[in-house]
Amino acid sequence: AQKVTQAQTEISVVEKEDVTLDCVYETRDTTYYLFWYKQPPSGELVFLIRRNSFDEQNEISGRYSWNFQKSTSSFNFTITASQVVDSAVYFCALSESHSNAGNNRKLIWGLGTSLAVNP
Amino acid sequence: GAVVSQHPSRVICKSGTSVKIECRSLDFQATTMFWYRQFPKQSLMLMATSNEGSKATYEQGVEKDKFLINHASLTLSTLTVTSAHPEDSSFYICSASGPGGNFKETQYFGPGTRLLVL
Repeated sequence: AQKVTQAQTEISVVEKEDVTLDCVYETRDTTYYLFWYKQPPSGELVFLIRRNSFDEQNEISGRYSWNFQKSTSSFNFTITASQVVDSAVYFCALSESHSNAGNNRKLIWGLGTSLAVNP
Repeated sequence: GAVVSQHPSRVICKSGTSVKIECRSLDFQATTMFWYRQFPKQSLMLMATSNEGSKATYEQGVEKDKFLINHASLTLSTLTVTSAHPEDSSFYICSASGPGGNFKETQYFGPGTRLLVL
């Protein structure tokens, strides 16, 4: 069965600290996608990154970086020098196995990690 | 690119009335749209998946006759909550995926609709 686990329910840091959000997934698929989304208090989900299962290169985008390790089935997200604006709930998600050829797949969602960055 | 709008952002209605929520992809063709429901401090719960021109596929436990979904064009999907009751009060979010490139296999979300049924 496919599953996404975000073991950290809540994290609280002080501004400028680095913080890593963990994501562990389970799948038997050889081709899949992993995602991170940010949900600030306003409620809208903001797409952050998509990673293809064949691409294990780490990604850096400004203060954000992602570490994808297939050997441990993890796709962790690090925020460097955190800011108050980073306070949000962060969701990790995994694409479901193909059910309808040609159609976009559903996502398997983690329960989210609520990050509070305090001044 | 990848902008999805949702309207209305908030709605308050009386019990027994129907409410329609619109989801539009503004700058790409949304071949697939998804409707979610989210309760406070919880993860997203998928209600249904709709592919343009086809009937929606509902998740187990979601009443088709209560939550009517229409995906009549490549840029618009609607969710109608029929005969709404207080227990239908929730945050409803739509997302859209496209046919290729960055839009394939990636869901872009609307800002959500907060529904309160009195």
